[in-house]
Amino acid sequence: ETGVTQSPTHLIKTRGQQVTLRCSSQSGHNTVSWYQQALGQGPQFIFQYYREEENGRGNFPPRFSGLQFPNYSSELNVNALELDDSALYLCASSRVLRDGYTFGSGTRLTVV
Amino acid sequence: QKEVEQNSGPLSVPEGAIASLNCTYSDRGSQSFFWYRQYSGKSPELIMSIYSNGDKEDGRFTAQLNKASQYVSLLIRDSQPSDSATYLCAVNMWEWGGSNYKLTFGKGTLLTVNP
Repeated sequence: ETGVTQSPTHLIKTRGQQVTLRCSSQSGHNTVSWYQQALGQGPQFIFQYYREEENGRGNFPPRFSGLQFPNYSSELNVNALELDDSALYLCASSRVLRDGYTFGSGTRLTVV
Repeated sequence: QKEVEQNSGPLSVPEGAIASLNCTYSDRGSQSFFWYRQYSGKSPELIMSIYSNGDKEDGRFTAQLNKASQYVSLLIRDSQPSDSATYLCAVNMWEWGGSNYKLTFGKGTLLTVNP
């Protein structure tokens, strides 16, 4: 059984650019969530997808968008990058939400 | 705003001692509660889940849940230097404006176990 994999592991972008982060869910997991974790803070919920539909969103602006594909892999897109977007972006998948989530290793995004 | 609060750290304990980590949550209807361990520069790792009032033990870890007080705790017995990490409390909360559960995290408590 494969775990949750994210790519890339590190990324440096310039303010104003756009970025796409990718996630492959753990086998059998049909729900994927994305989190942003700033240094010294807990993960903040961005949004969640279930069977290709967004079914939950946190307090993030519309320039944060996502997709889930039929194989349950997922993308997080961020447009018009700002310096404050610099953070660790975590993807987590679940088969049964009650049982918790498995996290990927994360993508460290630095905006300069 | 539904919240999860953790006791402010950092927490420092000597090797072999019991480390006690606490968490409160605002949503009385929450049903699932989790503790994640996060080493510096790494992603969170699930170490305990608890759903019913009382204690749940797994090796050196014991999770305690009191839904009436909206309180969750994690005890680590015989603490080891390898337990040094940030511990995140997470609660599955139903989003009434949405259509599903949302896992909400506290800010985490940094634990240091000194040899």
